[in-house]
Formats: sequence, structure tokens, C-alpha cells
Amino acid sequence: GQSLEQPSEVTAVEGAIVQINCTYQTSGFYGLSWYQQHDGGAPTFLSYNALDGLEETGRFSSFLSRSDSYGYLLLQELQMKDSASYFCAVEGYSTLTFGKGTMLLVSP
Amino acid sequence: DGGITQSPKYLFRKEGQNVTLSCEQNLNHDAMYWYRQDPGQGLRLIYYSQIVNDFQKGDIAEGYSVSREKKESFPLTVTSAQKNPTAFYLCASSSSAGGSSEAFFGQGTRLTVV
Repeated sequence: GQSLEQPSEVTAVEGAIVQINCTYQTSGFYGLSWYQQHDGGAPTFLSYNALDGLEETGRFSSFLSRSDSYGYLLLQELQMKDSASYFCAVEGYSTLTFGKGTMLLVSP
Repeated sequence: DGGITQSPKYLFRKEGQNVTLSCEQNLNHDAMYWYRQDPGQGLRLIYYSQIVNDFQKGDIAEGYSVSREKKESFPLTVTSAQKNPTAFYLCASSSSAGGSSEAFFGQGTRLTVV
């Protein structure tokens, strides 16, 4: 089976940098993905890491360490619209398993 | 436009009734998934399918059933055996099950038992 752990809530101010961590246990692993979900909406894909290291996409970056079963999402230059829930997800051999999500609250 | 469509957006069910949630995609994706989301919770996997005429139970399959008769369609039936069905249901698809592919989600169906 698979299980993922991430903080339930993170708060930050506009313009700041925030890091959301994710640790996982899995019986099969292709990679770690990150999704954003605004309240009541559909999750949308942010990034994917299959190999160790940092992937950068604009203001968002994602990191993976396969040996530590650990990854993080880094959000820079925070904006109010970044207030949302962020989920890490493990891609296994045939499934996509999500963590419980981290609610990010960005204040002025 | 390519995408994944769920219907209806809101659904009310009386206790003891079966209801079917629709999920259709025109992205030519092989893999499709059903998730349940409860308030403040993550996405829990109900069923998934990698190819037509084949599907597998996820973590919380009890009280649910699915079919995959066509590549584009993956309907979910919430049966009367599901004791607490009120939740937000999300359908997703990806080009392959496992391995570097982005999952696309529908807008969800909010099911309420009345």
C-alpha cells in the first residue's frame, strides 16, 4: 500500500516563500506529483518529479529525494490567489494515491 | 475542446437508492480513476481502470461499483450498501497508469443523501 504525510495547514504573507513537505511510504513508485485545489474545484496539476532533484516551473518548484522518500513544493513570491489546498500524490505501478492535503492561507 | 466531464454537478439521493455518476473523457486516455473527497480530507481512491473492460478496487471500494465498457466512459454507481455516501466525487484520467503523466480531473459531483 501507499501512505503520504503532509502538514495540514501553512500560513504565509504575500510575497513570501513557503515550502510544503511530503513524506511517503509506497510499495511501488514512479514519481511524485503536486496538485492544487481551490475550494470546491477540481485539482489541477502543478509539477512532477520522477528523479531526484529540483524541477522549476515559474514561481513553483518541486523537489524529490527517492532515498529519503521525501519531497517538497516550494512556492515563491506568494500571491493571494495561491490560497488553496496542495496535495502531493504518488504515482505507483497502476495507481495515483494522494495525501490529505495542505491548506495554504496567504494573507496581505 | 478536450477534457473530462462529470455529471451531474449536484445529486441528491434518498436512503436505499442506487445512483450513478457519469464520467466522460475525450482525451484518449487509457487510465481513469474515481476518488471520494470529504470536507478537509484528501482524495481517497475508490476504483481505477487501466484499459477497457478491466478495473481494480482502490482503498474504499465497498458500496461502490464501476464499469469500463468504452475507453471514454467510466461511470460510478453508489449503491445502497454504501452507508455514508454524502461526499464530493472526483473522476480523473491520465494517458497511462503509473509513470510521468498528468492526471486531469472533472469538476466533480457533490452527492447528498436526503
